[in-house]
Amino acid sequence: KAGVTQTPRYLIKTRGQQVTLSCSPISGHRSVSWYQQTPGQGLQFLFEYFSETQRNKGNFPGRFSGRQFSNSRSEMNVSTLELGDSALYLCASTPGAKGDIQYFGAGTRLSVL
Amino acid sequence: DQQVKQNSPSLSVQEGRISILNCDYTNSMFDYFLWYKKYPAEGPTFLISISSIKDKNEDGRFTVFLNKSAKHLSLHIVPSQPGDSAVYFCAASNGGSYIPTFGRGTSLIVHP
Repeated sequence: KAGVTQTPRYLIKTRGQQVTLSCSPISGHRSVSWYQQTPGQGLQFLFEYFSETQRNKGNFPGRFSGRQFSNSRSEMNVSTLELGDSALYLCASTPGAKGDIQYFGAGTRLSVL
Repeated sequence: DQQVKQNSPSLSVQEGRISILNCDYTNSMFDYFLWYKKYPAEGPTFLISISSIKDKNEDGRFTVFLNKSAKHLSLHIVPSQPGDSAVYFCAASNGGSYIPTFGRGTSLIVHP
């Protein structure tokens, strides 16, 4: 069974630009969550999508948004990039029930110059 | 406000010795706890979990202990191996949650 796939693996953008990251979950998984990892901050939860609907949301500004498609693939968008958005962005998929173990992709490393 | 705290950013241990990684939590509603391991350039992978109805769970070289009264859990790795060198994240959730709360991680280095 294929794991969680994130593309691209690396991105370099400049301030003010926007970026879209993609996540393909494990086949059959209906929940996709997104996290931001920065040095010293651990994994900070951005949002979770289940069956094309945002089910949970973390404390990030509106510049961070996402969506989920009918095949459970998810995209995350960051608009008006800031230097502080440089981070590793991870997505995780689960079947969608409470307490499910999360399966993570390898992440997209975003550098904002 | 950090609900899950890993107060040691890093830990260095000799191969063959015990590694003890600690985690504290503040939310008394948490009833399910997990540890994930993360290697560089890879996503975190699930390692071991424990429910609040237990105080210990073992899986091979890995044991997690839970002290509910102290709101503290620890991960013991015995014996430690160089391949255990990674960042370990503690996470906690409650019965009504789809998303666990993660700590900031502890970087474990096991020296040969």
